[in-house]
Amino acid sequence: SQKIEQNSEALNIQEGKTATLTCNYTNYSPAYLQWYRQDPGRGPVFLLLIRENEKEKRKERLKVTFDTTLKQSLFHITASQPADSATYLCALDSSASKIIFGSGTRLSIRP
Amino acid sequence: GAVVSQHPSRVICKSGTSVKIECRSLDFQATTMFWYRQFPKQSLMLMATSNEGSKATYEQGVEKDKFLINHASLTLSTLTVTSAHPEDSSFYICSAKSGEVYNEQFFGPGTRLTVL
Repeated sequence: SQKIEQNSEALNIQEGKTATLTCNYTNYSPAYLQWYRQDPGRGPVFLLLIRENEKEKRKERLKVTFDTTLKQSLFHITASQPADSATYLCALDSSASKIIFGSGTRLSIRP
Repeated sequence: GAVVSQHPSRVICKSGTSVKIECRSLDFQATTMFWYRQFPKQSLMLMATSNEGSKATYEQGVEKDKFLINHASLTLSTLTVTSAHPEDSSFYICSAKSGEVYNEQFFGPGTRLTVL
């Protein structure tokens, strides 16, 4: 069956450290993968998109990798800050232009 | 960036009544809009895809007669929850795609529905 798994339901790290979130998928062949941030009671906000032929993409303190052999994406936040605390969702395209979301990882950055 | 609004942001209704939620793309024309439902501490589950001027495509297990979707214009889609029951209480989120930015969807702020 098709699955998208974000292995950590919750992750707590110290301010200033690098947060690394994992997204694994099974029985999908996505052309691209996306990462979103969601704050409580709000809609998701798009962060980064990485295509299947891209290994890595960066945006300010964010870095995403995409390994189509391992069927895995890693999302890194460097020099983490308490304001980075949120739920982070990975999402990939299935058929017919639909985006399917993982269950999310709730990230908490402690001062 | 592209902005998507939803109205209302929060609604409480009695069991058996119908509730309409609006989703608008404010500064772009949305060729496709999506409706998601999110239960507490769970991810977004796609309910249906709507294209302007055509019938919505519903995901498996979503009752089309209960969740009526209308995409009457390129900037407005509505979701009507008919004969709402307490189990329909959830966070409903829409998103819109313009077709101009490669497969990027812009999400609305969500609508919290509580059915008493």
